[in-house]
Amino acid sequence: KAGVTQTPRYLIKTRGQQVTLSCSPISGHRSVSWYQQTPGQGLQFLFEYFSETQRNKGNFPGRFSGRQFSNSRSEMNVSTLELGDSALYLCASSLGPSGGYTFGSGTRLTVV
Amino acid sequence: GIQVEQSPPDLILQEGANSTLRCNFSDSVNNLQWFHQNPWGQLINLFYIPSGTKQNGRLSATTVATERYSLLYISSSQTTDSGVYFCAVKTGANNLFFGTGTRLTVIP
Repeated sequence: KAGVTQTPRYLIKTRGQQVTLSCSPISGHRSVSWYQQTPGQGLQFLFEYFSETQRNKGNFPGRFSGRQFSNSRSEMNVSTLELGDSALYLCASSLGPSGGYTFGSGTRLTVV
Repeated sequence: GIQVEQSPPDLILQEGANSTLRCNFSDSVNNLQWFHQNPWGQLINLFYIPSGTKQNGRLSATTVATERYSLLYISSSQTTDSGVYFCAVKTGANNLFFGTGTRLTVIP
């Protein structure tokens, strides 16, 4: 059974650009969550999707957005990148909102 | 939101030693998981344990939900156990909240 797949693994972008990250959940999982990890702030929740609907949203500016497709794959987009957006972005999937979470390998974004 | 505190923040062990990591949380939870973050950043799920006790090889975990804490036991530690251990909890329909982690270093 394939795990949670995140692409790309590494990304370097310039300030002001935008970026799209992708997450394919475990087959049959309908819930996808996104987290940002930085050395200073730890693991912070971005948003959670279930059956194409955003269920929860963390305390991040509107530059951070996401969506989920009918096949449960999810994308997150960050526009007008800032240096502080450099982080490891982790995606997790679960069967539903009350189940255990399985994480992908993450996308390491560097903004220069 | 719910507060999640992990202790100790750092732990250095000799290979073969045992250790106990603690996670305290401030509210009732319906999901508690322990993760090990490997050097490449991936969070490896160790236990899904909102209550009770589970064991998996050299690792075991106990959650006492009524007293709002969970313990992760590592026995006969190996160098490959090094990394950061996170406790994460969830209340109701909210998202998963992470503690600040325990950084474990096992020296040969």
